[in-house]
Amino acid sequence: DGGITQSPKYLFRKEGQNVTLSCEQNLNHDAMYWYRQDPGQGLRLIYYSQIVNDFQKGDIAEGYSVSREKKESFPLTVTSAQKNPTAFYLCASIDRASNQPQHFGDGTRLSIL
Amino acid sequence: AQSVTQLGSHVSVSEGALVLLRCNYSSSVPPYLFWYVQYPNQGLQLLLKYTSAATLVKGINGFEAEFKKSETSFHLTKPSAHMSDAAEYFCAVSVRQGGSEKLVFGKGMKLTVNP
Repeated sequence: DGGITQSPKYLFRKEGQNVTLSCEQNLNHDAMYWYRQDPGQGLRLIYYSQIVNDFQKGDIAEGYSVSREKKESFPLTVTSAQKNPTAFYLCASIDRASNQPQHFGDGTRLSIL
Repeated sequence: AQSVTQLGSHVSVSEGALVLLRCNYSSSVPPYLFWYVQYPNQGLQLLLKYTSAATLVKGINGFEAEFKKSETSFHLTKPSAHMSDAAEYFCAVSVRQGGSEKLVFGKGMKLTVNP
């Protein structure tokens, strides 16, 4: 079955360390997105990519970086510059040519030790 | 700019009672609107979407929503709540600019269903 795989499910980081969250999709979708979810704040867009080798900042990109070297992969790096990284991170994708809504992965919960 | 407002953060209903979750949007163009559901520690699952066809949209699990342009609303309803409906619900509006598409989400509404 096609879908989006986020790994790991739970991730722990020490202060001052960078950490990379994985997002892989086998839906052949062009566009991919990273959201951050905090209690009571809904989902906020971090970065998005419409095509391979191209990406744009979302509303809260500071302290994060991404790459899009392959269509199926869109990893998110949470850098030490992100002051409050503890959150639930969700990856999504969409086929831009269709009228279908975004399809979401099951998320990664990042915590600071 | 497009935005979505979900007033309040929690709603509690009894099993079998009507579920009403409110969503108001702001959009300068005809909007695409969505309702998503999230169960604990999971991703978002699409309940239903409005894309300028019928104003009453039926979704999964017995939910439906009505698009009312005059009220800029897209409220989610279900006639009879079930225990399995306990989850968090998000309303979202699609923003399309220059070939890219983004979703703007409301802050979410946590639904509790009491036996």
